[in-house]
Amino acid sequence: RKEVEQDPGPFNVPEGATVAFNCTYSNSASQSFFWYRQDCRKEPKLLMSVYSSGNEDGRFTAQLNRASQYISLLIRDSKLSDSATYLCVVRHNTDKLIFGTGTRLQVFP
Amino acid sequence: DAGVIQSPRHEVTEMGQEVTLRCKPISGHDYLFWYRQTMMRGLELLIYFNNNVPIDDSGMPEDRFSAKMPNASFSTLKIQPSEPRDSAVYFCASSSSQRDIPEQYFGPGTRLTVT
Repeated sequence: RKEVEQDPGPFNVPEGATVAFNCTYSNSASQSFFWYRQDCRKEPKLLMSVYSSGNEDGRFTAQLNRASQYISLLIRDSKLSDSATYLCVVRHNTDKLIFGTGTRLQVFP
Repeated sequence: DAGVIQSPRHEVTEMGQEVTLRCKPISGHDYLFWYRQTMMRGLELLIYFNNNVPIDDSGMPEDRFSAKMPNASFSTLKIQPSEPRDSAVYFCASSSSQRDIPEQYFGPGTRLTVT
């Protein structure tokens, strides 16, 4: 079983839609959580950190549920430019990041 | 500011040949990471360095793989001999311990094809 599990998708949604991705992690010692974005044939880039109280950055909202070991990302008012793969990432008490295999989002006109 | 620089961007080689991938981290960053990405396995950490010292190489698949960081501005990942199953995109990333958020900045990757 992978340490970070994500639904690979693809999620195909129309512009303007709201879409949510989920991620589960198996190591209860995980301390930090992130969402990275990876465009096709490009490198991953940090989208946002995920805090215990939940946090928002524009159209993006991230939530963490430590009891269920579950992380989510909500995208409101989807844009064509949101089409990408979204990687769920956890960090233990080391410097290593553990990446999920990603959820692919395709936003269509 | 220049980001993480990797070379070559593409490499096609025959099985059995030696392959050397190169990385220049962002100036001032004290961590350097080497990853491999495939469709089947996603992004996997191979090895990482702190202040040029290898900290964890548990992700290195086998003895055919080796990595060095002779100074703060240069690292190499070598595969000798290469095999078709090594075909993947290899990313180098760097980060700074001085930042509150341990964001890793990735290079553009080297796409390796072993025939």
